[in-house]
Amino acid sequence: DGGITQSPKYLFRKEGQNVTLSCEQNLNHDAMYWYRQDPGQGLRLIYYSQIVNDFQKGDIAEGYSVSREKKESFPLTVTSAQKNPTAFYLCASSIWDSNYGYTFGSGTRLTVV
Amino acid sequence: SQQGEEDPQALSIQEGENATMNCSYKTSINNLQWYRQNSGRGLVHLILIRSNEREKHSGRLRVTLDTSKKSSSLLITASRAADTASYFCATDVIYNTDKLIFGTGTRLQVFP
Repeated sequence: DGGITQSPKYLFRKEGQNVTLSCEQNLNHDAMYWYRQDPGQGLRLIYYSQIVNDFQKGDIAEGYSVSREKKESFPLTVTSAQKNPTAFYLCASSIWDSNYGYTFGSGTRLTVV
Repeated sequence: SQQGEEDPQALSIQEGENATMNCSYKTSINNLQWYRQNSGRGLVHLILIRSNEREKHSGRLRVTLDTSKKSSSLLITASRAADTASYFCATDVIYNTDKLIFGTGTRLQVFP
């Protein structure tokens, strides 16, 4: 079955450490996105990529980094520069046509301990 | 930046009742989409309505769009306990079509 997989589901990190969240899709989608969701709030865009080896900053990119070396993969690194990293992180993908919706992964809950 | 604002923030109803959620947005759009999120899970795409459409149906879902008022509504008819979730609107903004902007969501609780 085609889909988008995020791993791990839960992640704990010590302050000062970098951590990488995985996002893989087998839908042959061109575009991929990372969103952050805080409790009781909506989604805020961190980074997005429309094509391999290219990506754009979203609204809250500071303290995060991404890469897009393969069409299927769009990992997100939460760096030590991110001051408040505890959140629920959602990855999504879509075809390059705005008349279609996004497919989301099941999310990674990151907790800084 | 938040483009959409859902209203109400929370809604509690009994099974069998209808649930209506509203979304207002600020700038002109190509389309507006509704998503559902079960607690602790990813979002699921429900329905998309284009800017030149006024109403769309999908099963028990009915979506309306009023571009003059920059607002949309999602109606869930004959609700079920399984409809309990958060519902988000998302807008595809004209001249900024490479990403969706999500609203703040409505938390729907359907009691058996």
